[in-house]
Amino acid sequence: EVQLVESGGGLVQPGGSLRLSCAASGFTFSSYWMHWVRQAPGKGLVWVSRINDDGTYTTNADSVKGRFTISRDNAKNTLYLQMNSLRAEDTAVYYCASFGTSWLLSYWGQGTLVTVSS
Amino acid sequence: DVVMAQSPLSLPVTLGQPASISCRSSQSLVNSDGSTDLHWFQQRPGQSPRRLIYKVSNRDSGVPDKFSGSGSGTDFTLKISRVEAEDVGVYYCMQGTHWPHTFGQGTKLEIK
Repeated sequence: EVQLVESGGGLVQPGGSLRLSCAASGFTFSSYWMHWVRQAPGKGLVWVSRINDDGTYTTNADSVKGRFTISRDNAKNTLYLQMNSLRAEDTAVYYCASFGTSWLLSYWGQGTLVTVSS
Repeated sequence: DVVMAQSPLSLPVTLGQPASISCRSSQSLVNSDGSTDLHWFQQRPGQSPRRLIYKVSNRDSGVPDKFSGSGSGTDFTLKISRVEAEDVGVYYCMQGTHWPHTFGQGTKLEIK
């Protein structure tokens, strides 16, 4: 059974940092790109970041450039999102996701809530 | 960024009746290899998104055949042949052709 389990969310003050993790199992993690997608309370889905299969290529949405860093450890089957200089508008549920090769698959985690507030 | 415009944003439907959602992209979603990365997701209340349709018209594993997708270029449609209570939720189109990948605003389907 495929599982993506996010962790690391919580309450953080503006300007603070948080590191999200996504533990993968049930599929060949090291073969696929991985993604972070977020959803602010009551709002739609927004792509945040993506990383290629071996971790050598990453891209971020403009809204998080210079503040968020995506990375992965294929030996641990784990995806990360380091979030620095957090703002109130970063408050959201953060999902990790994988879409296999050429979008032929679709795996999502259950999400982890990040709340940025003083 | 590629803008994905869905309509309607609210869709009240009588049980057993069909439903249709339109999605238009601000740029062509055709890749250089001829494929089109337009996908449809369903998000039931309190749940993670679940993909229904990939690459315009292919149903994901386990998705009932009452869901169908069609379209090309910049215009796409998701159809539900007979709406059931379990179909309540928000439906999103999403493009994976261009970075950043983008979703439509979402269409909230409810039972009339």
